[in-house]
Amino acid sequence: SAVISQKPSRDICQRGTSLTIQCQVDSQVTMMFWYRQQPGQSLTLIATANQGSEATYESGFVIDKFPISRPNLTFSTLTVSNMSPEDSSIYLCSVDIVGGQGTDTQYFGPGTRLTVL
Amino acid sequence: AQSVAQPEDQVNVAEGNPLTVKCTYSVSGNPYLFWYVQYPNRGLQFLLKYITGDNLVKGSYGFEAEFNKSQTSFHLKKPSALVSDSALYFCAVRKSNSGYALNFGKGTSLLVTP
Repeated sequence: SAVISQKPSRDICQRGTSLTIQCQVDSQVTMMFWYRQQPGQSLTLIATANQGSEATYESGFVIDKFPISRPNLTFSTLTVSNMSPEDSSIYLCSVDIVGGQGTDTQYFGPGTRLTVL
Repeated sequence: AQSVAQPEDQVNVAEGNPLTVKCTYSVSGNPYLFWYVQYPNRGLQFLLKYITGDNLVKGSYGFEAEFNKSQTSFHLKKPSALVSDSALYFCAVRKSNSGYALNFGKGTSLLVTP
């Protein structure tokens, strides 16, 4: 597995402001993802964070609202821009770890709980 | 498209009884199926996965899952439930062994009563 940390663990923000969430992994990984979990809901993929190039966003998510950086193979940031109460969610990063027999498993960070007032 | 369905919002089980959390899948090609658990105010923890091979997959904390191709199901099971198993369980699928994100089911809340 991998040790994945996220900062901050939680925050309460005012609408119209931005928050940057950091994700740090204890080993180099190729694939890193960002998900959103809205209250009482399942996880939805926001984007794939690509090292050295622009992130790949899912339908309904745009770079201007959720800019992502991936400067190296152990670190990524997700910014939630111009926040509104609808952005209140848990944001999770995840990474693929190569396991036995060439199979990959996706492991998740502890999440960042964001509340927008 | 790859998708999974969890038909139950909540499952209630008495401690010591067997538990089953249901998941059905819809994929084109080979299924790569996963189960995760989420305890309150914590991230997702990996339980087990099916890639290929034996239809009965054993995972963490005494959980296992049975892959059934004819019924397109991947139900999570445990022979004897513990109160500490109470949590939110997610089934997930992805379209390849690696390099792709997961598509999650809506989640099933498991409540184990003493």
